[in-house]
Amino acid sequence: EVQLVESGGGLIQPGGSLRLSCAVSGFTVSSNYMNWVRQAPGKGLEWVSVFYSGGSTYFADSVKGRFTISRDNSKNTLYLQMNSLRAEDTAVYYCARDSPYCSGTSCYIDYWGQGTLVTVSS
Amino acid sequence: PVLTQSSSASASLGSSVKLTCTLSSGHSTYIIAWHQQQPGKAPRYLMKLERSGSYDRGSGVPDRFSGSSSGADRYLTISNLQSEDEANYFCETWDSNVHKVFGGGTKVTVL
Repeated sequence: EVQLVESGGGLIQPGGSLRLSCAVSGFTVSSNYMNWVRQAPGKGLEWVSVFYSGGSTYFADSVKGRFTISRDNSKNTLYLQMNSLRAEDTAVYYCARDSPYCSGTSCYIDYWGQGTLVTVSS
Repeated sequence: PVLTQSSSASASLGSSVKLTCTLSSGHSTYIIAWHQQQPGKAPRYLMKLERSGSYDRGSGVPDRFSGSSSGADRYLTISNLQSEDEANYFCETWDSNVHKVFGGGTKVTVL
């Protein structure tokens, strides 16, 4: 059974740092495209970052230079390191897997984690 | 691409509702995915939907959920509407610049 379990959220002051974790089971994190997607309170979904199976990483402009994404293959876990946090980063952060059948423009999420809440406030 | 969805829809218990996700100009061939987000819960993948109208439901998704397409429009039809279908429904597609984009979501109310 495929499962994605996020952790690491919490209350953090502006300018602070936080690392989110996404422990997966039922598949290999290194063999799939893995995403972080966030949802601000009462808002829609916003893509944040992706870690391609080949090792490339990409970020939304809103977090570029402040967030990094990594994975630990031995732990089958994906991470999101968030630095220089701002109030506008307050959101539930979801870890999400792209379908293993992704190719070209045919790429979409087929599994989501339960999310972890990050609140940036003084 | 930009994905456009109506903000809300409603239908009676046991009836059907059809939601629309419209791809922006020049992207009418793109595959999309539909996701459901019940109140206070994480999103759940419902199906992928191709330009041809062919769709593939996710694991455990009831066959009350079906997809269809027409040009740049991608539809999600929920038949025999149940109370647990009251949720937000998002569409998603791939983007060459930001990897993926989401529609604004349609909130479905079951009357």
